[in-house]
Amino acid sequence: EAGVAQSPRYKIIEKRQSVAFWCNPISGHATLYWYQQILGQGPKLLIQFQNNGVVDDSQLPKDRFSAERLKGVDSTLKIQPAKLEDSAVYLCASSSTGGSYNEQFFGPGTRLTVL
Amino acid sequence: AQKVTQAQTEISVVEKEDVTLDCVYETRDTTYYLFWYKQPPSGELVFLIRRNSFDEQNEISGRYSWNFQKSTSSFNFTITASQVVDSAVYFCALIQNTGNQFYFGTGTSLTVIP
Repeated sequence: EAGVAQSPRYKIIEKRQSVAFWCNPISGHATLYWYQQILGQGPKLLIQFQNNGVVDDSQLPKDRFSAERLKGVDSTLKIQPAKLEDSAVYLCASSSTGGSYNEQFFGPGTRLTVL
Repeated sequence: AQKVTQAQTEISVVEKEDVTLDCVYETRDTTYYLFWYKQPPSGELVFLIRRNSFDEQNEISGRYSWNFQKSTSSFNFTITASQVVDSAVYFCALIQNTGNQFYFGTGTSLTVIP
């Protein structure tokens, strides 16, 4: 079974530029998550999708971050404009359902550096 | 409020030594789930174990074992006879039964020296 795919793996941009990350979850997984992991910290949930609807985006900085999951499969996370403090690893995860007892499978992440 | 504390930031052991990673959590919920994930240098988080709050049985899986004690709100992880491949950052996490958000600890970086 293929795992969660993410691209790009690395991205370096200057502040105020825009950037987009892509995630392809495990086939058949209805729930998709985006996390932000700042160096030395645990991952923090940014947004959760159930199929193509948003379940929780309470910690997404909506003035600069946006995410979509068209057709309930792939998802993109965008930052516009980027700030220095956005430097982090952005992890995508998926699970078969959104229940808390379900294991979330994580992708390799995209490491973003904002200069 | 939910909180997970991993007080050990970095641990180094010599290969074949046993090592215990500590995890202490806070929650007001009576039903919750605790997890351990491993994050190797490649970056992805690898699931190790899930435990629900009503199951305090300790679990052993090969060289890995977990000690869950509700009385002390701890969910510690022990690696027996450590190997170089165990070198990684290990995260303890909590999720409420009614929620969807993982509360991760800050992680413990384990280095196993050959």
